[in-house]
Amino acid sequence: GENVEQHPSTLSVQEGDSAVIKCTYSDSASNYFPWYKQELGKGPQLIIDIRSNVGEKKDQRIAVTLNKTAKHFSLHITETQPEDSAVYFCAASKGNFNKFYFGSGTKLNVKP
Amino acid sequence: GAVVSQHPSRVICKSGTSVKIECRSLDFQATTMFWYRQFPKQSLMLMATSNEGSKATYEQGVEKDKFLINHASLTLSTLTVTSAHPEDSSFYICSAITGGSTDTQYFGPGTRLTVL
Repeated sequence: GENVEQHPSTLSVQEGDSAVIKCTYSDSASNYFPWYKQELGKGPQLIIDIRSNVGEKKDQRIAVTLNKTAKHFSLHITETQPEDSAVYFCAASKGNFNKFYFGSGTKLNVKP
Repeated sequence: GAVVSQHPSRVICKSGTSVKIECRSLDFQATTMFWYRQFPKQSLMLMATSNEGSKATYEQGVEKDKFLINHASLTLSTLTVTSAHPEDSSFYICSAITGGSTDTQYFGPGTRLTVL
């Protein structure tokens, strides 16, 4: 089955700096890679996703890159703000209503 | 759009009782919903996949007689924890797929279950 690894487990940055979270996956059949933000006591919120037919996607301060050959994808947050502090999860899926395989999560702390 | 609600948000029950958690897709029809369990500071663990009008598919190690799932309509799935015990205390989260050409999962806000 699919195995998704996520690094780092914790990340502390200064407000205004950039943050990068990386994930690797094992199943080359995976073709959908979403990123979720989870605040304490709440459900995960989709922040950006990418499909295997593109290499990069950007939405304001958030971007995701995908390297299919190396089987890794990354989340990039620029100009971080304290409200970006949360736990971020990556996931991989084969699409077609298949289940998601989640990474272990990254706790991001943005210091004012 | 793509809003998923859960009810209740928190529940405390006595050991041995059953608890029902509802998951609703508010502005779309969801043929497929997922139920997850999350322990503190850990990732989401998929419990089962719920398809409207058919039996749920449970992940290995999840007791289907203990965690009853019903997906009676395109907007509602329920998870019933039967004969709850303290070890069932956890954060339960559902998600729903909007369908069509996309399989994006949208998550509910979660339900905190505490079994005394």
